[in-house]
Amino acid sequence: GAGVSQSPSNKVTEKGKDVELRCDPISGHTALYWYRQSLGQGLEFLIYFQGNSAPDKSGLPSDRFSAERTGGSVSTLTIQRTQQEDSAVYLCASRLTGGGNTIYFGEGSWLTVV
Amino acid sequence: DAKTTQPPSMDCAEGRAANLPCNHSTISGNEYVYWYRQIHSQGPQYIIHGLKNNETNEMASLIITEDRKSSTLILPHATLRDTAVYYCIVPFFRDDKIIFGKGTRLHILP
Repeated sequence: GAGVSQSPSNKVTEKGKDVELRCDPISGHTALYWYRQSLGQGLEFLIYFQGNSAPDKSGLPSDRFSAERTGGSVSTLTIQRTQQEDSAVYLCASRLTGGGNTIYFGEGSWLTVV
Repeated sequence: DAKTTQPPSMDCAEGRAANLPCNHSTISGNEYVYWYRQIHSQGPQYIIHGLKNNETNEMASLIITEDRKSSTLILPHATLRDTAVYYCIVPFFRDDKIIFGKGTRLHILP
């Protein structure tokens, strides 16, 4: 597609439920990033993928969070047993590998845990 | 990766040029300076980037000092729609852990 696409755009879930957030990067972009932003806060780096591989998972907040990427394209961020503090906007970005290549962001998935 | 320092907030009168500074004194020779802005927790929007030369596009101009230790983003004629948080980053693409700081909250005053 023309840009980074994320779904759902909004999700309200009950505490304790699992949620899956999807990111469809720009076609051909090899690097993919996930960030989280709580209300009024900055961008918190979660994880990145180079192809299907995630070299550094240390940014994931807890073991309830996991992410995968298949086929070097679509990525899914899964949050198990959601808690109220997981409420935030989850932003995905992608770019071509290479020193001067720009990162492009999607519009985010707003998650509200009630 | 190179750290950046930005003022937490700035004001600018509508119609005037907004000049947003950024310090990146630990930048290395092959690292680019990127600017993004974010409006109301929408996805950050790419504005401009540069390596050593000044750059201009339809949105803004980027002035990089000769020693590359600082840069200034210039919005030539600020409008109310330019109210946003502006981020200056120097991503170290080799490790790809691209960290955003707190940015500068720009208020455009009518």
